[in-house]
Parts: sequence; structure tokens; C-alpha cells
Amino acid sequence: DIQMTQSPSSLSASVGDRVTITCRASQGISNSLAWYQQKPGKAPKLLLYAASRLESGVPSRVSGSGSGTDYTLTISSLQPEDFATYYCQQYYSTPFTFGPGTKVDVK
Amino acid sequence: QVQLQESGPGLVEPSQTLSLTCTVSGGSISSGTYYWSWIRQPAGKGLEWIGRVYTSGSTDYNPSLKSRVTISVDTSKNQFSLKLSSVTAADTAVYYCARAMFTANYFEYWGQGTLVTVSS
Repeated sequence: DIQMTQSPSSLSASVGDRVTITCRASQGISNSLAWYQQKPGKAPKLLLYAASRLESGVPSRVSGSGSGTDYTLTISSLQPEDFATYYCQQYYSTPFTFGPGTKVDVK
Repeated sequence: QVQLQESGPGLVEPSQTLSLTCTVSGGSISSGTYYWSWIRQPAGKGLEWIGRVYTSGSTDYNPSLKSRVTISVDTSKNQFSLKLSSVTAADTAVYYCARAMFTANYFEYWGQGTLVTVSS
């Protein structure tokens, strides 16, 4: 199985801050990486796929980058609706695996 | 707009079989372009992919659960189902159904999730 790690596990930020979350795979995954946002009591929402491609309807302040084993999610200017938990997921091979999540809360 | 909706018992006794159904609306499960997956999330924890089914009925399972899992599809009802046998308290979680493209297995659409508690 491909193991996914995320850092940090949590962070506190203010509206307007630039936020960066890192995801690392235990082996190369050829950009087969998705990012999801999850709010309490809700299903995850797809934000990005193929490491950097924005899902339709997702604001452009969200971006992704990376290659090989290391990937990042960046929110350029945090908005109130962005406080949530973020998960990465590799879909390079089965079993598909998720990172443990990064919780973004209010400073 | 595609919608997925999980249904099934919210309480299952230990050692019994958990059974859930996902009903798909706004699109045909038979289109052949998608995989249909089950994913679970224990309270306060991360996401675990359980397995998937294709329109043909072919399946892939997470090896960690493979001996206990069966996922099937009923194209006549536009549904797919999950059975997890010999459940324990560790199987208590919110269970989600989700859709992924056949060519790229990220999950575009999710059901709202259903909480299943394993307890006597």
C-alpha cells in the first residue's frame, strides 16, 4: 500500500493568510493526487485532482503543485469558508489511500 | 446533477453483517464510465477506501478488509451495495458511497454519509 502523510496535522490561521499544506507519498505517484475539503458532518468535497487541476466551481485562490512523492495545497488568501479539514488522496494504485488530514482553524 | 444516497441500518450487532445500499440519481450507473466506491470514516479519524465496483460487476477491495467485504451492483435499480461481515466495534464509522471516473480514480461525487454503529 502507498502510505500518505500530511503536514502539519493542524494549523491556526487568520482570514487573508496564505496557507500551505504538504502531502507526501511513500513512493512516486505520478501526480495521481487529489485534495478534498471536509467540514464537520459533511462529506468530503473534491478541490483538486491530478495534483494541480482545479475542480469546477472551486475558487482560484486554491492551487496545488508537486511531483513524484511531494505535493502541496495552497490557499492564497484564506476566507471564512475555508476553515475545514483537508485530505490528500493518491489514486495511483489500489488500495487508494488518504492522508490523515490537516485541520485549519481560526487563530 | 448526479446525487448519491446511502441507506441501511444505523445499528448492527457485533459479529453480524453490515449492509448498505447507495442509490444513484441524475445519471445511469450503467454508463460504463465510472467506478462506484465505498469509503468509511470513524468518528474524528481519517478516510479509508473500502472497495469499488464497476458496471460489469467486477470489483476491487482494500486488502485490509477483503476477507469480509462484498460490493455488488444492481443496474436495474441504479444502486450498488456494501456487505461487511463479522463486524466489531472497530467498524463503527460514517460510511460514504462515491463515484470516480473510470480513467482517474479521484472521487467527484459523494453521498452525504450514513453512520453505522456496531453495538449490542
